[in-house]
Amino acid sequence: DTAVSQTPKYLVTQMGNDKSIKCEQNLGHDTMYWYKQDSKKFLKIMFSYNNKELIINETVPNRFSPKSPDKAHLNLHINSLELGDSAVYFCASSQDSWLAGYNEQFFGPGTRLTVL
Amino acid sequence: ILNVEQSPQSLHVQEGDSTNFTCSFPSSNFYALHWYRWETAKSPEALFVMTLNGDEKKKGRISATLNTKEGYSYLYIKGSQPEDSATYLCAFPLRKTSYDKVIFGPGTSLSVIP
Repeated sequence: DTAVSQTPKYLVTQMGNDKSIKCEQNLGHDTMYWYKQDSKKFLKIMFSYNNKELIINETVPNRFSPKSPDKAHLNLHINSLELGDSAVYFCASSQDSWLAGYNEQFFGPGTRLTVL
Repeated sequence: ILNVEQSPQSLHVQEGDSTNFTCSFPSSNFYALHWYRWETAKSPEALFVMTLNGDEKKKGRISATLNTKEGYSYLYIKGSQPEDSATYLCAFPLRKTSYDKVIFGPGTSLSVIP
């Protein structure tokens, strides 16, 4: 059983479209995260949700919005896609807020988004 | 500006060699340091979470040490094997009053040559 899963694995779309990436974890964790791997392959945290509450919100464009229907899911919705949004997006989860410092994160396989 | 640096950027070793690399982080306001192993086409996997100065953790042939006063952590791999080939990331969580932030280092890419 996959602990943290993401769909789709690959997403190719046109500029200006709206798209969503789904993430699900079956670990019973309290907190889920979204990361963007930038062009230099750095991982940068975008959002996290703890019990449906946004607890971290990095400076990302408001075209990006996380949506959490329940504790096991954190979807990433992107409006008006731009060329610069092309990247690999990783979902992750942890037992508690990652910034408690003691809890490792479990990452999903990543979604490669290509905006044409 | 707070930076997390890793060195070297890449490393090629022969199978059986032992190796080590460094993560440097701000020594003030230390909270924790995480090490991750990231194989190509896979997702990062946690290796260690280190919180105390002088911490030393071990998992099989991989171990890590932590010096919070001088702001560095070493990752050691004993008797490298081809399956150790991966990028090794360290991550440094910060705390701020209004929001929280985590900084990942750029990684050390390790290639183990059979």
